[in-house]
Amino acid sequence: DGGITQSPKYLFRKEGQNVTLSCEQNLNHDAMYWYRQDPGQGLRLIYYSQIVNDFQKGDIAEGYSVSREKKESFPLTVTSAQKNPTAFYLCASRPTGVNLETQYFGPGTRLLVL
Amino acid sequence: AQSVTQPDIHITVSEGASLELRCNYSYGATPYLFWYVQSPGQGLQLLLKYFSGDTLVQGIKGFEAEFKRSQSSFNLRKPSVHWSDAAEYFCAVFYGGSQGNLIFGKGTKLSVKP
Repeated sequence: DGGITQSPKYLFRKEGQNVTLSCEQNLNHDAMYWYRQDPGQGLRLIYYSQIVNDFQKGDIAEGYSVSREKKESFPLTVTSAQKNPTAFYLCASRPTGVNLETQYFGPGTRLLVL
Repeated sequence: AQSVTQPDIHITVSEGASLELRCNYSYGATPYLFWYVQSPGQGLQLLLKYFSGDTLVQGIKGFEAEFKRSQSSFNLRKPSVHWSDAAEYFCAVFYGGSQGNLIFGKGTKLSVKP
């Protein structure tokens, strides 16, 4: 089955701790995205990557970091600099090409602060 | 700035009643338009999309949407709502550009009365 997996489903962070959220896709998509979702805020773009070894900041990148060493994987690290990390995090991927601008989403990771 | 507006934060309809969720976008040219649905604690599932052609688009789960250029709108409709349709619905717009980034509305939460 092709799809996007995110792990863990729930993640707890202590004060001052960095945590990493996993996102893996086997859809052979070139582009991958990370969004943060807060109640009533919709989805806000954190980082995105169009190809391996390249990524760009989105609208709310401060306090987050990413890597794209493999096409299939786009992990997100929530650093201690992110002072309000409690949110639902969604990963998405998209094929590239004309009329292929549809993003497909993973099941999400909920991050909670202890 | 480019934006997507979903004017209704929360809508309640009776089971079996018809449904219309509103979405307006700001842009001169015709963007690509999407509707996604999200059940609590889950990722986003694509309901339907419009790129060009017939302005009435059919999607999954009996949903349809109509693109109206003159009103910059892409409203989602369903003739008869089922209790399982209770969820949050997001309109999204792709305005073009190599990044392929979507802009999301803030969502409309749908409750269904028995």
